[in-house]
Parts: sequence; structure tokens; C-alpha cells
Amino acid sequence: DAKTTQPTSMDCAEGRAANLPCNHSTISGNEYVYWYRQIHSQGPQYIIHGLKNNETNEMASLIITEDRKSSTLILPHATLRDTAVYYCIVSDTSGTYKYIFGTGTRLKVLA
Amino acid sequence: EPEVTQTPSHQVTQMGQEVILRCVPISNHLYFYWYRQILGQKVEFLVSFYNNEISEKSEIFDDQFSVERPDGSNFTLKIRSTKLEDSAMYFCASSDRINGAFFGQGTRLTVV
Repeated sequence: DAKTTQPTSMDCAEGRAANLPCNHSTISGNEYVYWYRQIHSQGPQYIIHGLKNNETNEMASLIITEDRKSSTLILPHATLRDTAVYYCIVSDTSGTYKYIFGTGTRLKVLA
Repeated sequence: EPEVTQTPSHQVTQMGQEVILRCVPISNHLYFYWYRQILGQKVEFLVSFYNNEISEKSEIFDDQFSVERPDGSNFTLKIRSTKLEDSAMYFCASSDRINGAFFGQGTRLTVV
């Protein structure tokens, strides 16, 4: 089962920042937080990941709370093409490093 | 930018037939995965593969399924005797363990 909890859906106005929250209260010290998105039935697309520190790349920023029990993915200027299902995943460090997908947050960017 | 490629993009097969789905992972990755997604449902883990052997498999991955890395580049998923309920998108992924898994665009399998 997924170790994360996300809202089922969110709307965001085009051009505004989209802030997608995720709770991972049972995360352990060596587990990373990964964010993916899936547009229609395409393959899941990697966005960003982090361990403790906040991270930023060309797609998004990831803010992880100090206790690491939650995080927020920020899309700074959402466009219509960012409409997708966004998944927050805590990596499985038991040795197999598999990624377990939950139901994610369906983000709809509105014109 | 390196990417995971999957072939074919769409496969139609008759119930009871064998199918092989093919994947070329990113070249310096060592961890390989297959996932499936039934229409309208979530992405489900099937199997992980490392060091030329299965490292973990889900309950879905029963005796009808097998994986193989026949050479240094390809990674295949075989379904021996397809059932109607095997109809789904199948995604291959590869990872270097730390920097996340990268997914292919999938093979849509339709069993008729």
C-alpha cells in the first residue's frame, strides 16, 4: 500500500502557482520523497525528489517539512499542459527500491 | 536525454495466446520494473529486477508472468496464456536507485 496521503483533486488558475500537498507521516530516515505525474494514459513522468532539503529544478520545487512528515510540490506558473494526476511516493528502501503509486491528486489547470 | 523505450506501443492478442512486451531501459540503470494500469485504475507494481534476478513481485505477478533480460539492453515481460483481464497498459521503468525511476510510454495490451 502507498505510504502517502494526497487530496483527491485540486483546481488551479492558469499562470498561478499550484501547491500540491502530501502527507507521509510514517516516513523513515533514509526514505526519499518522489513526485511523478501522469498525463492521460502516458507513462508516469518523474518530476522531482528529495530527502531532507528543499529542492528545485526546471519543472517544480519540493518543500519538505523539517520533521519530514509532509511535503508540498509547487508548480510556480501552472499551464494547461500541467493538467494531470500527480503522485507523491515514498521510496521503498527495503532493498527492492520499488515505487508504489497511490491514487494521487488530479490537478486541473483552468484557463 | 536518455529514455526508456517500449515496443510495441499497442498489441492485440487472442485469449490464451502468449505475448512478449519489450523494453530498453536507460543504459546505466541497474534496477528494472514492470507496472500495469487497467483503464481508469491506478498504476500497479508487478515486478522488480536487479542483478539478473527478480528482487520482488506482487500478487498480480503469478505463474503466467515472467521477466527476462536476454541481453545487455532488453528487458522483457512475457505473459504465457493471456486472459481478458490482462488487458491494460504495461509500463516498464528503470532506475539507478537514488534518482527515481524513469518510465516508458507503455504498451497497450488488448486481449480479445
